[in-house]
Amino acid sequence: KNEVEQSPQNLTAQEGEFITINCSYSVGISALHWLQQHPGGGIVSLFMLSSGKKKHGRLIATINIQEKHSSLHITASHPRDSAVYICAVNPYGGATNKLIFGTGTLLAVQP
Amino acid sequence: NAGVMQNPRHLVRRRGQEARLRCSPMKGHSHVYWYRQLPEEGLKFMVYLQKENIIDESGMPKERFSAEFPKEGPSILRIQQVVRGDSAAYFCASSPPSVISSYNEQFFGPGTRLTVL
Repeated sequence: KNEVEQSPQNLTAQEGEFITINCSYSVGISALHWLQQHPGGGIVSLFMLSSGKKKHGRLIATINIQEKHSSLHITASHPRDSAVYICAVNPYGGATNKLIFGTGTLLAVQP
Repeated sequence: NAGVMQNPRHLVRRRGQEARLRCSPMKGHSHVYWYRQLPEEGLKFMVYLQKENIIDESGMPKERFSAEFPKEGPSILRIQQVVRGDSAAYFCASSPPSVISSYNEQFFGPGTRLTVL
């Protein structure tokens, strides 16, 4: 079992829909990240969270440390939001700052 | 302020050749991370370096792979005697120095796509 699990693996939505992507993790963490990767493209950091909620434009990220769960919400989705969304965590403790990644959620927003 | 730079963006090698991937961190960043993304798989940590030091290489294959981050110049990920299974996207990320804790935001480069023929 992966230390970071995402659901769903694939998601197709119509333009304008509200989208939720979930992430669960099994290790103690010092921070959780949401990343975006376009096909064949680079990786962009969307959020870094250690508690609570963050909002940036149409994107909202929440984290529940007790339940070891985070969600990424996209409001008023648009075709340009189509990408792979990746959840990653910094495991707690030690000298390393490495990230452990989920397998990603492939989002396709249709016009 | 330029972002993390990686070169080459695409690299083609034949089996048995060497591959050298370069990563220049963002200005002021002293921490570099290398990650590998195999086809149809998620990203996996390889190695974490600070200037002239390897901090964590727990994700590096035991043979053929090495990494360095010299005092001057970019970080280099070196793969000797490449095999087809090394074909992947290799991403570098960097973060600024921190004396407080370990959970700094990491800024990713565009990646190097390695194809082994």
